[in-house]
Amino acid sequence: AQKVTQAQTEISVVEKEDVTLDCVYETRDTTYYLFWYKQPPSGELVFLIRRNSFDEQNEISGRYSWNFQKSTSSFNFTITASQVVDSAVYFCALSSTNAGKSTFGDGTTLTVKP
Amino acid sequence: KAGVTQTPRYLIKTRGQQVTLSCSPISGHRSVSWYQQTPGQGLQFLFEYFSETQRNKGNFPGRFSGRQFSNSRSEMNVSTLELGDSALYLCASSLFGTGSYNEQFFGPGTRLTVL
Repeated sequence: AQKVTQAQTEISVVEKEDVTLDCVYETRDTTYYLFWYKQPPSGELVFLIRRNSFDEQNEISGRYSWNFQKSTSSFNFTITASQVVDSAVYFCALSSTNAGKSTFGDGTTLTVKP
Repeated sequence: KAGVTQTPRYLIKTRGQQVTLSCSPISGHRSVSWYQQTPGQGLQFLFEYFSETQRNKGNFPGRFSGRQFSNSRSEMNVSTLELGDSALYLCASSLFGTGSYNEQFFGPGTRLTVL
């Protein structure tokens, strides 16, 4: 069975602070895929990034960066110099062909205050 | 390219009634998945349809059912509504399915309130 744990239910920061959202996953599959999605207050989930289990390269996209570590089964997401527009619920998700579905974490609500 | 559309956006029903929700995926996407989102339970996978066939199902009672048409549009039906069915129901489409490398594209959701 697959499981995704986002231990941080809510995080509140002040604008320009850096913030890291944690994601820990469990799977017995050797081939799997990890995703991050953002759900702004408007409600619609938006895809941010994906990684497959054979690609542990970290990625940076503007103020966003992702750290994938198979040794600790973690796929953490860091926002540098946070902005008010980053306020949203962020979901980490795990999928595999074997499982045939995506499993989402419970989400982390990020509030960035001006 | 038009995004995923869901209708209706809001629904109010009473216990015991049934409801049908509709989802139109992105053109060319053959996979449609349904999720239930509640404050306490996060996103829970209901089922996935691919080329008109149910490919996978989550742990929900048989009151929750769905189907997919030849044009990939999908409907979800909930019979004998219970108060606990109040939730945001999200539809997501993808090219090759929810278990694949492809990301999912989500619709705005249908907010169902059961009184």
